[in-house]
Amino acid sequence: GAVVSQHPSWVICKSGTSVKIECRSLDFQATTMFWYRQFPKQSLMLMATSNEGSKATYEQGVEKDKFLINHASLTLSTLTVTSAHPEDSSFYICSARGHQQTREQFFGPGTRLTVL
Amino acid sequence: AQSVTQLDSHVSVSEGTPVLLRCNYSSSYSPSLFWYVQHPNKGLQLLLKYTSAATLVKGINGFEAEFKKSETSFHLTKPSAHMSDAAEYFCVVSGTGRRALTFGSGTRLQVQP
Repeated sequence: GAVVSQHPSWVICKSGTSVKIECRSLDFQATTMFWYRQFPKQSLMLMATSNEGSKATYEQGVEKDKFLINHASLTLSTLTVTSAHPEDSSFYICSARGHQQTREQFFGPGTRLTVL
Repeated sequence: AQSVTQLDSHVSVSEGTPVLLRCNYSSSYSPSLFWYVQHPNKGLQLLLKYTSAATLVKGINGFEAEFKKSETSFHLTKPSAHMSDAAEYFCVVSGTGRRALTFGSGTRLQVQP
């Protein structure tokens, strides 16, 4: 149980285009989902927290107009990188937390974004 | 506030020898602590977690960790390393509120044949 999927697993796009990444909780309802960013050989940095049906809460330094997060249902959250630039190239990982797992988060496999 | 310090950025062991990955934490309340493993270009897999029950926690693949409140440590150990253990390991502390997890900087484990 507690499986989280991400789609796509990798994406290459041109500079200036927008990219949408999906995060799904497959066998539980995720009241809260988190989006992380990981640069090569670095740790995960929390970008934002989203609760179903409400606006996401962004960490300091993360541009909410550039990284659009939607959590429209209890099983799906999306991250859209708008007007992507090469410096946005990174590994994006989502995680989900349901009612019962108050402190544990279940992580998706990650999405590798490369912006040319 | 909470923080996590992984004392070694890189650890190299020989196959069959013990593994020790060190982690110290700071938290203003009783924390939950986790160890995750990440293989190259993969997501995170939970190895084990401490949530205020037994201080010695056993996880998957032969790993275990001991919560020592007096030392504010949560070191990860394994009696005998396997080649497949080579990966990045993250010590994580959980708190309350929206910033639920704080990650350590990671320790890269290399296993020599």
